[in-house]
Amino acid sequence: GGIITQTPKFLIGQEGQKLTLKCQQNFNHDTMYWYRQDSGKGLRLIYYSITENDLQKGDLSEGYDASREKKSSFSLTVTSAQKNEMAVFLCASSIHRDWGKDTQYFGPGTRLLVL
Amino acid sequence: GDSVTQKQGQVTLSEDDFLFINCTYSTTTYPTLFWYVQYPGQGPQLLLKVTTANNKGISRGFEATYDKGTTSFHLQKASVQESDSAVYFCALVSTGNTGKLIFGLGTTLQVQP
Repeated sequence: GGIITQTPKFLIGQEGQKLTLKCQQNFNHDTMYWYRQDSGKGLRLIYYSITENDLQKGDLSEGYDASREKKSSFSLTVTSAQKNEMAVFLCASSIHRDWGKDTQYFGPGTRLLVL
Repeated sequence: GDSVTQKQGQVTLSEDDFLFINCTYSTTTYPTLFWYVQYPGQGPQLLLKVTTANNKGISRGFEATYDKGTTSFHLQKASVQESDSAVYFCALVSTGNTGKLIFGLGTTLQVQP
């Protein structure tokens, strides 16, 4: 088994601020993902990475940067926080055997509130 | 594009009631289908997964059958408990080599004692 750790658990920021969220996994998985969860909108993919130093944009990448410097970690940066923004950011990982069948395992999330 | 529809936003039941959560999907392939469950303050966790059409996934008393004829993957449980209260997401792996999951909007299940 393994675990995904996300830090911080809660993040309160100011409008225009640059905010960084971190994710660590000890599954030794190849692929890592960042999703955004909004109330009433489900989960949407922001970025993913299939290996160290690889980055691929998802459907919601505008306004975000990502970094995968090690196999075990994947960071997400909100480049300019939007006022009254409230969402949960979920990190996930999967072993890269078959794109069509791999199971993704999720972390507990980082809850963002922008004042 | 690929999509997943969960028509029920909220379901309220009493303990020992039968659970049925609707899920239909739209895609050009025969995708792997998932049900994830999310408890308050946690990330989604895999409940069950089915990779082949016409097969059934079973886990912790929950079951779902991959019906390619009706493009459905409804979730059922014969007798719910208060501890089953959570948000349930149906999902599929999108076409193309990304592994991206397409999620439904989720169904909140509240089970009253």
